[in-house]
Amino acid sequence: LAKTTQPISMDSYEGQEVNITCSHNNIATNDYITWYQQFPSQGPRFIIQGYKTKVTNEVASLFIPADRKSSTLSLPRVSLSDTAVYYCLASRGNQGGKLIFGQGTELSVKP
Amino acid sequence: GAVVSQHPSWVICKSGTSVKIECRSLDFQATTMFWYRQFPKQSLMLMATSNEGSKATYEQGVEKDKFLINHASLTLSTLTVTSAHPEDSSFYICSAAPGQLYSGANVLTFGAGSRLTVL
Repeated sequence: LAKTTQPISMDSYEGQEVNITCSHNNIATNDYITWYQQFPSQGPRFIIQGYKTKVTNEVASLFIPADRKSSTLSLPRVSLSDTAVYYCLASRGNQGGKLIFGQGTELSVKP
Repeated sequence: GAVVSQHPSWVICKSGTSVKIECRSLDFQATTMFWYRQFPKQSLMLMATSNEGSKATYEQGVEKDKFLINHASLTLSTLTVTSAHPEDSSFYICSAAPGQLYSGANVLTFGAGSRLTVL
């Protein structure tokens, strides 16, 4: 499992776009990048997953460059409710495999 | 969507007692479930992998006699903290993969977590 590195914390203001970058230099060919969100005293929640280029869903976008050594989670127009910890994981394409969490990025959105 | 239910959401117990936490997959079958613990302001730490019908696989440093895991059915895994002590106080979270929702890697659905406080 590839180790991931993220900023420990980030601050933003309501309405801004937030980009959280994750480094995964040792990502393997069959690893996918997955992002989870966790609120205090709750279990993590899946946000988005990608393998390369760009993936977009109703809550976020994920940008992955050609070399796949990093990825960027983009949250458009954040609100106070987006204050949470965001985890980036690089995991294998085999269903049921365990996930090892890194330190995560604590995002604080201010009014 | 896939739902994992965890119970109880919080529990307070006296030192030396045992506490059982249940994890259920409500709308899917899970041959494998995972148990994590999380201390305040820290990341999730994988404790063990729970396998239906067989013994759990514990991560290095996790005492299997202390944290008993039973996965008796395809929808239920239990974690029992035996002879709990104050240092076992933590947030315990279970998870399961609901199958091939995506063409990519495994995506886990997590329970809401169980806050254990040992007095």
